[in-house]
Amino acid sequence: KQEVTQIPAALSVPEGENLVLNCSFTDSAIYNLQWFRQDPGKGLTSLLLIQSSQREQTSGRLNASLDKSSGRSTLYIAASQPGDSATYLCAVTTGANNLFFGTGTRLTVIP
Amino acid sequence: SQTIHQWPATLVQPVGSPLSLECTVEGTSNPNLYWYRQAAGRGLQLLFYSVGIGQISSEVPQNLSASRPQDRQFILSSKKLLLSDSGFYLCAWSMDRLAKNIQYFGAGTRLSVL
Repeated sequence: KQEVTQIPAALSVPEGENLVLNCSFTDSAIYNLQWFRQDPGKGLTSLLLIQSSQREQTSGRLNASLDKSSGRSTLYIAASQPGDSATYLCAVTTGANNLFFGTGTRLTVIP
Repeated sequence: SQTIHQWPATLVQPVGSPLSLECTVEGTSNPNLYWYRQAAGRGLQLLFYSVGIGQISSEVPQNLSASRPQDRQFILSSKKLLLSDSGFYLCAWSMDRLAKNIQYFGAGTRLSVL
C-alpha cells in the first residue's frame, strides 16, 4: 500500500528565507502528485499539481519538483512571508481513484 | 464556476448520538465525490468515494456510512458516534472518473465527540 512521508514535521524560518519541504512515497506507480496548503481548522487549497510525466511545476514563489523513480518530491518556497505560515500536505494519486496524503509539514514564518 | 459547500463547520456531539454531515457541489454535474477524515496528529484518510448517485465505495471499515441521494449531494452519517470518530472531516469533488484531475475540497467540519 502507498505510504507518503513528509519531512520535517515542523519548520520555523525567519521572513525572507527560501525553504524546501520534502515528500516521499513508496510506490512510484502514481498518476500525479499534489501539494496542498491547510490553514488551521480549514479545508485544503491545492497549490500545485504535477502529472507523473512532468518534472516540475511553478506558481509564483512556489516550485514543486517530482522524481517519480526515486519516489520524491520537493516544494520550494522562495522569499517566505508570514502569510505562508500553514500546514503543507503532499498527496499522490493512484489508479484506484484515491489520494494518499502525507501527515504534513507545519510551517511558521517569523516576521 | 464550481463551488463546494460543507456544513456544519463545527459540531459537538455526545457518544452514542447520530451524525449527519452534508456536502453539496454547485456548477458541475456528475462529479466524483469524496469524504476524508483527518484525525489529530494524523494525515488525511479517504473514507468514502462515489462516482454516481447511489454508488458508494468504502475504503476502510468503520462506524460511518455515506449516501448520495442526488447527483451533487454527499452525506456522511453514523447511527451511534464513538469517541474515535472525533476529527476533521473534509468533502471533495473532482471533474471526472479518472484519477488524474485535481480534487477540490470543502471548508471542513470539525467534529468533537464527548
